Amino acid sequence: EDKVVQSPLSLVVHEGDTVTLNCSYEVTNFRSLLWYKQEKKAPTFLFMLTSSGIEKKSGRLSSILDKKELFSILNITATQTGDSAVYLCASPNTGTASKLTFGTGTRLQVTL
Amino acid sequence: DGGITQSPKYLFRKEGQNVTLSCEQNLNHDAMYWYRQDPGQGLRLIYYSQIVNDFQKGDIAEGYSVSREKKESFPLTVTSAQKNPTAFYLCASSSGLAGVRNEQFFGPGTRLTVL
Repeated sequence: EDKVVQSPLSLVVHEGDTVTLNCSYEVTNFRSLLWYKQEKKAPTFLFMLTSSGIEKKSGRLSSILDKKELFSILNITATQTGDSAVYLCASPNTGTASKLTFGTGTRLQVTL
Repeated sequence: DGGITQSPKYLFRKEGQNVTLSCEQNLNHDAMYWYRQDPGQGLRLIYYSQIVNDFQKGDIAEGYSVSREKKESFPLTVTSAQKNPTAFYLCASSSGLAGVRNEQFFGPGTRLTVL
């Protein structure tokens, strides 16, 4: 059975801090790993990673994949209160590419 | 504006009643999905459909039913057989094989509460 595990489950930081969120996976026929941000309602897509060692960047957010050690990290630098959200990672299911297996998410709270 | 709409936003139901949650997309996506999210948990797949008139059970399909008569629409019925239906329900769609070519886009969700 495919598994995606995220850590920590929750995190509280001060504005301006840098945070690193972790996502490890056990997927038999790995294709990709996706990161989403969920503020209150719909998760919004952040990154899709398919290749090891290639950093994807969008503003203060960046992510990288390690296919040898089976994990990905999401970094947020100079955090702002607007970064407060649940961050989800997911990977396509082994059996059917249409299905995504999600982790439980990391709840990030950024305080002033 | 292209996107996914879900209705209603909030839904209250008495025990023993069936309810239907609506999901519509105008993104011309082939694949649609229903997820359930409980507090402190990730998204769990209920049903998905890769093409019109075809759908498959996800990981937690018991007590739910779906139909896919039109490409744009994928309604979810929560039946009285679902023992713990209070949750946040998210609908998603994607143009192709999720995670291979295209990510999934999500609707705003429906929060169902059973009284």
